[in-house]
Amino acid sequence: GQNIDQPTEMTATEGAIVQINCTYQTSGFNGLFWYQQHAGEAPTFLSYNVLDGLEEKGRFSSFLSRSKGYSYLLLKELQMKDSASYLCAVMDSNYQLIWGAGTKLIIKP
Amino acid sequence: SQTIHQWPATLVQPVGSPLSLECTVEGTSNPNLYWYRQAAGRGLQLLFYSVGIGQISSEVPQNLSASRPQDRQFILSSKKLLLSDSGFYLCAWSVAGIDTGELFFGEGSRLTVL
Repeated sequence: GQNIDQPTEMTATEGAIVQINCTYQTSGFNGLFWYQQHAGEAPTFLSYNVLDGLEEKGRFSSFLSRSKGYSYLLLKELQMKDSASYLCAVMDSNYQLIWGAGTKLIIKP
Repeated sequence: SQTIHQWPATLVQPVGSPLSLECTVEGTSNPNLYWYRQAAGRGLQLLFYSVGIGQISSEVPQNLSASRPQDRQFILSSKKLLLSDSGFYLCAWSVAGIDTGELFFGEGSRLTVL
């Protein structure tokens, strides 16, 4: 079966760095997405990786290793507004998105 | 710019009652349209997707149905709600022809079935 695993919850301190991991087992691979979702709101797109390596976008970076079935989202200089759930999703060989359950990130002052 | 709206935002319905959630997209033509359901502690579950007017693909067999009467309108319906239909429903769109394109989500509709 297809599976996306990410930690349920993480806690970090304002101003610090946090890494949210995502491992996947899917039928084929056509890219990996990260979305941010604040409580009670809709997800918003953060990043897309289809090749191995690091993609940097401001304070957020996303890394992919296809051979390991692994990705991480790195958040630097954490702000209180970064408190949200972070969803990992993989596009399989049929171009269908398989979603993880999300990682709830709690930022403490 | 493109926008997506869905309504109602919150809905409390008794078991056995009908349901209609509506979603419209503006600023783009022939979008791919999706209905997702999000349950607590679980990943987004794709319910329906559409690549054009009248073209609906169902991913999960259940008592829900979807329709696309116009290019930028997507409707989620049920004739008789079940308790298990409670959840957060999200409409989304993506650019047609780009299989790896990002999804743009509506504001979400929280349905509670009592």
